[in-house]
Amino acid sequence: SSELTQDPAVSVALGQTVSITCQGDSLRRYYVTWYQQKPGQAPVLVFYDKQRPSGIPDRFSGSTSGNTDSLTITGAQAEDEADYYCSSRDSSGSSVLFGGGTKLTVL
Amino acid sequence: QVQLQGSGPGQVKPSETLSLTCTVSADSIGRYFWGWIRQPAGKGLEWIGRFYSSGTTNYNASLRGRVTMSLDTSKNHFSLKLTSVTAADTAIYYCARETVFGVVQYFDSWGQGTLVTVSS
Repeated sequence: SSELTQDPAVSVALGQTVSITCQGDSLRRYYVTWYQQKPGQAPVLVFYDKQRPSGIPDRFSGSTSGNTDSLTITGAQAEDEADYYCSSRDSSGSSVLFGGGTKLTVL
Repeated sequence: QVQLQGSGPGQVKPSETLSLTCTVSADSIGRYFWGWIRQPAGKGLEWIGRFYSSGTTNYNASLRGRVTMSLDTSKNHFSLKLTSVTAADTAIYYCARETVFGVVQYFDSWGQGTLVTVSS
């Protein structure tokens, strides 16, 4: 498969834990990358190579199982409300796949 | 901290060529991959392609034949050309710095995005 599948929308109560999932065959071979995008802004890298970039809060973490990767936010904050996109190299290794995105609402 | 600044016409006529440039500051453009990603209004991200200073290019198969990327190390910028545009090419176009090695791929710095509308 040459697709990454994400749930279109997820919600979480303030301070609770939420996981955003990404499913695809390429994830069996390649690491997932996660981006956060707020309205009117460019995407921001929040998880890559099984780590968080400098400046990303440690409430963001990642996990993997088979062909499914998850981005977990432990203790979600209002500022975490955004669209989240997963990506990886495709099965050929030469292209980049993006998931369709998950809109996270913090209630 | 590298900064990327995209620029180009905000409107292109159908069947014409979309041309965008991304200027890179505070970095050596020859040491990284550089990519383009686009996002139609209200929709998700779509990878367009990448360019490396060695001349290596990879393009999205759905755009192959219409897209060309190039690099000008003397001006520290890289460019995108997309020919024969239609309304379906209307989107925000992002330039980004890319790292690719082994099983890892990510864009760690993004431009602000350039809105391009295809309309007569």
